[in-house]
Amino acid sequence: SQQGEEDPQALSIQEGENATMNCSYKTSINNLQWYRQNSGRGLVHLILIRSNEREKHSGRLRVTLDTSKKSSSLLITASRAADTASYFCATVRLNTDKLIFGTGTRLQVFP
Amino acid sequence: DTAVSQTPKYLVTQMGNDKSIKCEQNLGHDTMYWYKQDSKKFLKIMFSYNNKELIINETVPNRFSPKSPDKAHLNLHINSLELGDSAVYFCASSQSETEAFFGQGTRLTVV
Repeated sequence: SQQGEEDPQALSIQEGENATMNCSYKTSINNLQWYRQNSGRGLVHLILIRSNEREKHSGRLRVTLDTSKKSSSLLITASRAADTASYFCATVRLNTDKLIFGTGTRLQVFP
Repeated sequence: DTAVSQTPKYLVTQMGNDKSIKCEQNLGHDTMYWYKQDSKKFLKIMFSYNNKELIINETVPNRFSPKSPDKAHLNLHINSLELGDSAVYFCASSQSETEAFFGQGTRLTVV
């Protein structure tokens, strides 16, 4: 399967805690992206990190990328109940427009 | 204005029927995609069109055919629908390996 793997599959935390999700992929990439999906809705792009970058920040989001291990992590700091959603990593394979999604992590943040 | 719009939002149909899902993007993007999200929430790429040319055709049944009348539209036609085709189908568009914008999804139920 070309699909990447994410762990954990599900994560439950309290508001204010940090949430960390991990993504592993299989091929050489141009970039890696993280998306959010609220229940019953489409996916929304959160952040993109290029293959020559190691870390990127956007608001409460921090993404790391380790191309030698073919892995990435998404950290959401000071989580809020509104962060409850599924989070997917997606990779753009080298020299293609092919955007392949991981299996997703369901995050539940309790107030 | 909605960036990527797909219709219908819900589609219930009987086995054996032929149906189409329409997708339009007003972002001027060169690449459009169709994804299938199954009951386990896995997102699988089905097709990708770049400047009206099919550049990816994943191993989907040939009952599924993408049709792109112009750069802004990528419709999905499905022949002889089967129970296993029930899923949520997402259209998306992107420009040059950057972030993808998703439609709200079409929930297809085959009965």
